[in-house]
Amino acid sequence: GQQLNQSPQSMFIQEGEDVSMNCTSSSIFNTWLWYKQEPGEGPVLLIALYKAGELTSNGRLTAQFGITRKDSFLNISASIPSDVGIYFCAGQLKGAQKLVFGQGTRLTINP
Amino acid sequence: KAGVTQTPRYLIKTRGQQVTLSCSPISGHRSVSWYQQTPGQGLQFLFEYFSETQRNKGNFPGRFSGRQFSNSRSEMNVSTLELGDSALYLCASSSRTGPYGYTFGSGTRLTVV
Repeated sequence: GQQLNQSPQSMFIQEGEDVSMNCTSSSIFNTWLWYKQEPGEGPVLLIALYKAGELTSNGRLTAQFGITRKDSFLNISASIPSDVGIYFCAGQLKGAQKLVFGQGTRLTINP
Repeated sequence: KAGVTQTPRYLIKTRGQQVTLSCSPISGHRSVSWYQQTPGQGLQFLFEYFSETQRNKGNFPGRFSGRQFSNSRSEMNVSTLELGDSALYLCASSSRTGPYGYTFGSGTRLTVV
């Protein structure tokens, strides 16, 4: 089936640093989504991307839909302690009703 | 407005038993999807319901089933539980079929012993 390769699997950074993570796939996706999940909770949508090449920001978060439709990245600028969590990319294939999720990037921040 | 409500939050069952999980979507949302989350396999799609009809199904055995009621509330059932069914089961609702505007609930943590 379709797979998303998300990297890195984990990141250990200092507060204030910028963060970058990405997802790649051999399949072409119609939509890319980025979620954050905290312990004991379900994923929360951060950014949704619907067009190839689209660059979208949400506060300190910026995500881009790759021009080939096979990849996406998420950047977090000036990280703060509440950014800690697991970040997931998810893609939707054209005509499909489900999301395919990456394996997640666990972000840990040292104050 | 209230979010997606899943009950119960935690559940412990014995191998061979069956279990029913419940999901109440956001008011007005007619689409409900279910996902299984495990450390090894990550988040995997189980099925989606829209207006009481199953619209799509993931690659899970027939022991996993679901349904949706006229008020959009949904239940999923797992029969003949196996140890490998231990997971966080997440429900997401949307105002239309497909993942647009998905809002996830906090999940039901199922442990099979």
